[in-house]
Amino acid sequence: SQQGEEDPQALSIQEGENATMNCSYKTSINNLQWYRQNSGRGLVHLILIRSNEREKHSGRLRVTLDTSKKSSSLLITASRAADTASYFCAQKDYGGTSYGKLTFGQGTILTVHP
Amino acid sequence: DVKVTQSSRYLVKRTGEKVFLECVQDMDHENMFWYRQDPGLGLRLIYFSYDVKMKEKGDIPEGYSVSREKKERFSLILESASTNQTSMYLCASSLVLADYNEQFFGPGTRLTVL
Repeated sequence: SQQGEEDPQALSIQEGENATMNCSYKTSINNLQWYRQNSGRGLVHLILIRSNEREKHSGRLRVTLDTSKKSSSLLITASRAADTASYFCAQKDYGGTSYGKLTFGQGTILTVHP
Repeated sequence: DVKVTQSSRYLVKRTGEKVFLECVQDMDHENMFWYRQDPGLGLRLIYFSYDVKMKEKGDIPEGYSVSREKKERFSLILESASTNQTSMYLCASSLVLADYNEQFFGPGTRLTVL
């Protein structure tokens, strides 16, 4: 299966600024999820957006989904140094018997400078 | 809280050795997954399992096998380790819910094959 693509590959910002990461995918999806990975650790689920939703919020996170463009974006507002991590999008394909299988993007490395 | 544990954080093995990576989850999840993570390539699915004794190949199964004798435990086996299997290995689990499938990750095992 083909992985989605994320851009930028790396993002460096100052504390307090907003960070936007984008994800594109190729197939029809059931939902799209965003995960965070701190250096050398496992991934942690952040937020899930279903294919019939256009926008979702969770605290300082805002996710949008445009199924016509097969793209999603993750916005982190008022970033903090503790937000420094890698961020991955993951798509749950529509239909079939995928047993919860996700296809992950290659990730965006976010660095927030104090 | 869901807890996914992996048997080792760091592992060093020699070429040709048989390597076992163990993963245990404590939330009665049906699905379990093994990924490898390499710089620039994101997460790639090796194998997954949707039930005891059931397994499905992922995107890169060559050189690996798996075992799921109990619901909570999913083992990844490198039959004859090679240097190109040096990588970070991540285990994950999830419930069988068609619309969600949030995955919970272990901390990862960084394997070096010399």
